[in-house]
Amino acid sequence: AQSVTQLDSQVPVFEEAPVELRCNYSSSVSVYLFWYVQYPNQGLQLLLKYLSGSTLVKGINGFEAEFNKSQTSFHLRKPSVHISDTAEYFCAAIAGGTSYGKLTFGQGTILTVHP
Amino acid sequence: GAGVSQSPSNKVTEKGKDVELRCDPISGHTALYWYRQSLGQGLEFLIYFQGNSAPDKSGLPSDRFSAERTGGSVSTLTIQRTQQEDSAVYLCASSLGWGPYEQYFGPGTRLTVT
Repeated sequence: AQSVTQLDSQVPVFEEAPVELRCNYSSSVSVYLFWYVQYPNQGLQLLLKYLSGSTLVKGINGFEAEFNKSQTSFHLRKPSVHISDTAEYFCAAIAGGTSYGKLTFGQGTILTVHP
Repeated sequence: GAGVSQSPSNKVTEKGKDVELRCDPISGHTALYWYRQSLGQGLEFLIYFQGNSAPDKSGLPSDRFSAERTGGSVSTLTIQRTQQEDSAVYLCASSLGWGPYEQYFGPGTRLTVT
């Protein structure tokens, strides 16, 4: 079964600093990867996705992620964070086969941006 | 356009009672998903629908949980004889089809079992 591991449960950072949120997935013949963000008391919103093609994907709000097949990683990065980026971030995967379409989520990383 | 809506937004119920949670997907989305978000378990898949059929019920935690979808649109998640461990936020999502499509999430229903 597909599994997703987010290596940091909490990441504190100062405003305008760069940030990286780490995500590893279990290897699969075919895998599709997503990052979702959840602001306090709100639903999940898609930041970006990797389906195929270029391994560097750009998303909304200045975020980007790089798919690394050899390291089975899909880390999320932003070069300069804002206070408004404070939220919980979830890495998720869809594996091929019978699980096709079902999202498997990591445990989430709480990003806190300090002034 | 309108996003995924869920009702009620909050539900407090006594242990042993039945509850129904409703999801209205985005118009035209054929796939609909239910997930549960809780402190102990994180975000976990419960069930999905393609049209009105539910090919994958593997995530339902027990036979007290059931779901249906009518007219290829609205879905209802029913929990019978609720237990305290059912307390969680229940999220609904919809997508254009079954596969690696973007899933659009509703705001969730917060269920508290006392």
